[in-house]
Amino acid sequence: DQQVKQNSPSLSVQEGRISILNCDYTNSMFDYFLWYKKYPAEGPTFLISISSIKDKNEDGRFTVFLNKSAKHLSLHIVPSQPGDSAVYFCAASASGQNFVFGPGTRLSVLP
Amino acid sequence: NAGVMQNPRHLVRRRGQEARLRCSPVKGHSHVYWYRQLPEEGLKFMVYLQKENIIDESGMPKERFSAEFPKEGPSILRIQQVVRGDSAAYFCASSPGQRRNEQFFGPGTRLTVL
Repeated sequence: DQQVKQNSPSLSVQEGRISILNCDYTNSMFDYFLWYKKYPAEGPTFLISISSIKDKNEDGRFTVFLNKSAKHLSLHIVPSQPGDSAVYFCAASASGQNFVFGPGTRLSVLP
Repeated sequence: NAGVMQNPRHLVRRRGQEARLRCSPVKGHSHVYWYRQLPEEGLKFMVYLQKENIIDESGMPKERFSAEFPKEGPSILRIQQVVRGDSAAYFCASSPGQRRNEQFFGPGTRLTVL
């Protein structure tokens, strides 16, 4: 039973355009969400997080949106750059419990 | 600028052998987490340790797997009598505080069981 889902295994975007990565969750107790980026042969790198008391958090080119009623969050990257090509993992936790990760979405930014 | 270090990066074992994976957290971090990633899947939590204590091992298989984080030295994830299904990438992460904090990941150890 996957509590965190990333239904798009892969996504291709043109350089300079917006990348939108989606994540859905089933556990209504989740109250903290993170996005990690992973390059091949490296560990995941923290990108951005959001608490359930907010619906948006922005950091430079990265913005995370949270829709609690839909149990959905998304990561927007704008403008997309070739260096953003990586696998992006969504993760969630409930009340300080351990993070549950989604299966990841592979983003390819085409020059 | 020493981040989380894991060694070995690649480990090959035959069925029935033991695998020992090491993790040195970021200097000053006393919280360590181990995750396993199977092909085409996300990271699955295994165990959360603080110095000398196992806080949460709810994701750890009940048999053959053990973890420790001694007062001195790295954290060790030990897999006894490995089977083919143990082949995966094992990632260690550390954080300065409790679970909610951002976790810093190591590069992972890729275990292959022949």
